[in-house]
Amino acid sequence: DAKTTQPNSMESNEEEPVHLPCNHSTISGTDYIHWYRQLPSQGPEYVIHGLTSNVNNRMASLAIAEDRKSSTLILHRATLRDAAVYYCILRDNQGGKLIFGQGTELSVKP
Amino acid sequence: GAVVSQHPSRVICKSGTSVKIECRSLDFQATTMFWYRQFPKQSLMLMATSNEGSKATYEQGVEKDKFLINHASLTLSTLTVTSAHPEDSSFYICSASRSSYGYTFGSGTRLTVV
Repeated sequence: DAKTTQPNSMESNEEEPVHLPCNHSTISGTDYIHWYRQLPSQGPEYVIHGLTSNVNNRMASLAIAEDRKSSTLILHRATLRDAAVYYCILRDNQGGKLIFGQGTELSVKP
Repeated sequence: GAVVSQHPSRVICKSGTSVKIECRSLDFQATTMFWYRQFPKQSLMLMATSNEGSKATYEQGVEKDKFLINHASLTLSTLTVTSAHPEDSSFYICSASRSSYGYTFGSGTRLTVV
């Protein structure tokens, strides 16, 4: 499985945008970029995924570099409820298991 | 949307006993489910892939005789921790995929072995 690299932690202020980076230099052409987040004592929650083009949904936006070797999860206005560990994961288009890295622990200050 | 229910949410058991954790897909059929374990301040570690109607596939280092997985129907997978010991205390999480893209996770089971 291709590996991803994320900062261990990031801080944000409430109501400000947050940009969470992810490096995946060994990504293959068939790998989708997935983002999940995990709140304390809960199972992970799907956030967004993409292949090549930038993606938007009600939770976040995903900006994918042109060479696909990195991506950025964008939370447009952080709230206290967005404090969680965010995981960037590569998954091939054949489906299969998700392998979690260490993720980025996001803290949001009021 | 796709919902995965996990039960129980918390369980305390005595050392040497067995504990069963259930994972149900409520509004979709899941031929494949996944079981993870998570220790405090650590990431999720995949334990095994549960396949409906066939044997589970275990990740390297996971004892198949200790962590019994049964996936008898398209909506239910169970994980049984046999002869539990304090070091098995952990947060166990299941997941299932409704499509080839996204996974839904259960809310997790906090197991404490005393």
